[in-house]
Amino acid sequence: DVKVTQSSRYLVKRTGEKVFLECVQDMDHENMFWYRQDPGLGLRLIYFSYDVKMKEKGDIPEGYSVSREKKERFSLILESASTNQTSMYLCASSVTDGRTEAFFGQGTRLTVV
Amino acid sequence: QKEVEQNSGPLSVPEGAIASLNCTYSDRGSQSFFWYRQYSGKSPELIMSIYSNGDKEDGRFTAQLNKASQYVSLLIRDSQPSDSATYLCAVRDTGRRALTFGSGTRLQVQP
Repeated sequence: DVKVTQSSRYLVKRTGEKVFLECVQDMDHENMFWYRQDPGLGLRLIYFSYDVKMKEKGDIPEGYSVSREKKERFSLILESASTNQTSMYLCASSVTDGRTEAFFGQGTRLTVV
Repeated sequence: QKEVEQNSGPLSVPEGAIASLNCTYSDRGSQSFFWYRQYSGKSPELIMSIYSNGDKEDGRFTAQLNKASQYVSLLIRDSQPSDSATYLCAVRDTGRRALTFGSGTRLQVQP
């Protein structure tokens, strides 16, 4: 079974802190994604990566950056956390065949106070 | 920006009935379509995928795709209380690796 693991299930951080969310997948997938999910807004793509050290902005990249130093690991960085970044963050991975679905991690509920 | 639209619900059906969930999408070139189920506080899990016009059945679930109308639906037969969840429609747009998600339809199956 594909396994996507996010480092934390719940996080509470203070405004202005630098926050790291980590994601690891064990299926050698080329693509990894970070989404955030807010009530009524569905899942919105923040960033994705299609190879080591390669990244592309998604639909809402402002206030975020990412790092992919190894194929299995994709990190989301909140440079200076703000209260409007309180959300559920979901990591996903997939292969590049145009058909296969994305597999999700368990999610990280981040609260910025 | 490409869009995927779903009725937010809640859609309430009695146990044993057929639940019908609908989704429209804006990119005519989209090739891959997915239905995910998400229980409260959990991450999305894949229910069905469909790529060609017509119906695709898997157990109690049937996905239907009509590319001319840019419409995809999910039918759940013999609905059970355990089917109560939010159902997310996702589309892989032309030339894009990521999925675009609708905002989800909340389904409530009444015992």
